[in-house]
Amino acid sequence: EAEVAQSPRYKITEKSQAVAFWCDPISGHATLYWYRQILGQGPELLVQFQDESVVDDSQLPKDRFSAERLKGVDSTLKIQPAELGDSAMYLCASSSGGGSRSYNEQFFGPGTRLTVL
Amino acid sequence: GENVEQHPSTLSVQEGDSAVIKCTYSDSASNYFPWYKQELGKRPQLIIDIRSNVGEKKDQRIAVTLNKTAKHFSLHITETQPEDSAVYFCAASGNTPLVFGKGTRLSVIA
Repeated sequence: EAEVAQSPRYKITEKSQAVAFWCDPISGHATLYWYRQILGQGPELLVQFQDESVVDDSQLPKDRFSAERLKGVDSTLKIQPAELGDSAMYLCASSSGGGSRSYNEQFFGPGTRLTVL
Repeated sequence: GENVEQHPSTLSVQEGDSAVIKCTYSDSASNYFPWYKQELGKRPQLIIDIRSNVGEKKDQRIAVTLNKTAKHFSLHITETQPEDSAVYFCAASGNTPLVFGKGTRLSVIA
């Protein structure tokens, strides 16, 4: 069964350093999402891509976070510089639906657990 | 924007009993309501979803009900088993991408 892949699974970094996370969605899924999940809370959307275009990045802290999906397939989320409050699980998800009104199931990757010291 | 409230935050039930988790949403335009189960250290997985054109959906021991007038929806798990222990998240979307509730930690006591 196809799954969303993410790497690395764990990342420890010091504040002010740069970190990058990678996501490979299920083949053929046009929509890709990056979420941040703080311990004990639900996932919060950071950015949504439809193919290579950003559909929604209203909750992305653009002064330090950036995301790209250059070829409309895999995606990279970067944080520079990392801050203590960025410690969280970063989840990637994909779906076959399109646009913000997606009624299709979102499939989640295993996540990258980031610890900022 | 959409706001989803989920209750209770923790729930303990005896094996074989039923569990009910409730969510409310604020955006009347929301029309898709999935429920995700997240086991410790694992990814969220969809267990059931409902769209606004139906009031109830059932899949074996799991059912979801939707009341669009009151803007609330509920997850019902019957004959609970220890493997049902996990964190459950509700979510809603319509004019906005999925907004998740804060989760309910369900513990099924054998």
